[in-house]
Amino acid sequence: AQKITQTQPGMFVQEKEAVTLDCTYDTSDPSYGLFWYKQPSSGEMIFLIYQGSYDQQNATEGRYSLNFQKARKSANLVISASQLGDSAMYFCAMREGITQGGSEKLVFGKGTKLTVNP
Amino acid sequence: NAGVTQTPKFQVLKTGQSMTLQCAQDMNHEYMSWYRQDPGMGLRLIHYSVGAGITDQGEVPNGYNVSRSTTEDFPLRLLSAAPSQTSVYFCASTLISGGVPSPLHFGNGTRLTVT
Repeated sequence: AQKITQTQPGMFVQEKEAVTLDCTYDTSDPSYGLFWYKQPSSGEMIFLIYQGSYDQQNATEGRYSLNFQKARKSANLVISASQLGDSAMYFCAMREGITQGGSEKLVFGKGTKLTVNP
Repeated sequence: NAGVTQTPKFQVLKTGQSMTLQCAQDMNHEYMSWYRQDPGMGLRLIHYSVGAGITDQGEVPNGYNVSRSTTEDFPLRLLSAAPSQTSVYFCASTLISGGVPSPLHFGNGTRLTVT
């Protein structure tokens, strides 16, 4: 079974609008963390935002926020006020065993390609 | 700040050839790893290391070898390249923490084509 599922292969959004990229995950570990990365067409992987399973509040970083619904095992990325430079691939990833100082291994989803239209 | 440096950026190999992808980091990160990225597959973990002298297999280790003789370097070796190893390879590193985890820092990738 896939640990990280991103069901939207591609998404389109108008410039200045908000967009939500979906991510669901599967784990029985109570201690885990969820990461979002951006990969522009130039190819580098850019860390955007992190949410821990025990965090009481949804994570926010500038225009990025995480809609974390633990019971539904979803960690959707919300980008507000989209910009042309937001056009990229977006990957959701999970690390398990956070509090035990467990593995640093990240498991990635297959990604969502976001296109921002002017 | 160099971060994670991968060389080469591009490589073309013939089937059966061997080569080593280099990865070096200057952030004193204990954890280093190699991923491959294929269209529609996301990133899949090949091998990882939690410190010098310690390596372990990830999700797709077949056809690849690694070693970790220093904290800084984590080379990936293809002993006999196959067309199925055509991919983009990323090296990534991070600190090992018992609390809030630090994110993986990625190199810029190596695009490998095996003909």
